[in-house]
Amino acid sequence: DAKTTQPTSMDCAEGRAANLPCNHSTISGNEYVYWYRQIHSQGPQYIIHGLKNNETNEMASLIITEDRKSSTLILPHATLRDTAVYYCIVRGGGAGSYQLTFGKGTKLSVIP
Amino acid sequence: DTGVSQNPRHKITKRGQNVTFRCDPISEHNRLYWYRQTLGQGPEFLTYFQNEAQLEKSRLLSDRFSAERPKGSFSTLEIQRTEQGDSAMYLCASSLVSGRNTEAFFGQGTRLTVV
Repeated sequence: DAKTTQPTSMDCAEGRAANLPCNHSTISGNEYVYWYRQIHSQGPQYIIHGLKNNETNEMASLIITEDRKSSTLILPHATLRDTAVYYCIVRGGGAGSYQLTFGKGTKLSVIP
Repeated sequence: DTGVSQNPRHKITKRGQNVTFRCDPISEHNRLYWYRQTLGQGPEFLTYFQNEAQLEKSRLLSDRFSAERPKGSFSTLEIQRTEQGDSAMYLCASSLVSGRNTEAFFGQGTRLTVV
């Protein structure tokens, strides 16, 4: 699976959009971009994933660049409960891909 | 259904003792995964099952670690002769392999402290 690079930490004001970047320059054509987050002392929580089109769900939006070498997770209106470590993971999408390789992620702090 | 359930949530054990953790996956999920997370690091993959078959176990940290999923439902992870370095959060996840829709859902983890 391709390696990802994320900033170590970010701050965001409560109520503003949080934009979390991720670089995955070695991503291959059949690999998906997944985002998970982990609130302190809890298990990771699935947020969203995508292949090449932008994706949106009730939690967030995922914007993938046309060359697929980077992506941005957008939390449109950050709240204090969004303070967490956010992991960007690249993984194959087929049944043969089973492992999530977590890096250290981005620690997002939402500030009142 | 309330998601992936792990028990116990916390376990303190003396060095050299054996411990066993249980994971109950989301009921219709056919894949079950175990991960370990140490302080300040992201989760690290250990092993996984598809139904009752353990398809990957080379990442288990040593031969003191073993996992079972006897009937393709719940799973157990056992650590024999625990060492202080085994202190970590042990996470279980499950997923439904159906086409491309393979996102995994995690439990709250079991935090192990070896004293």
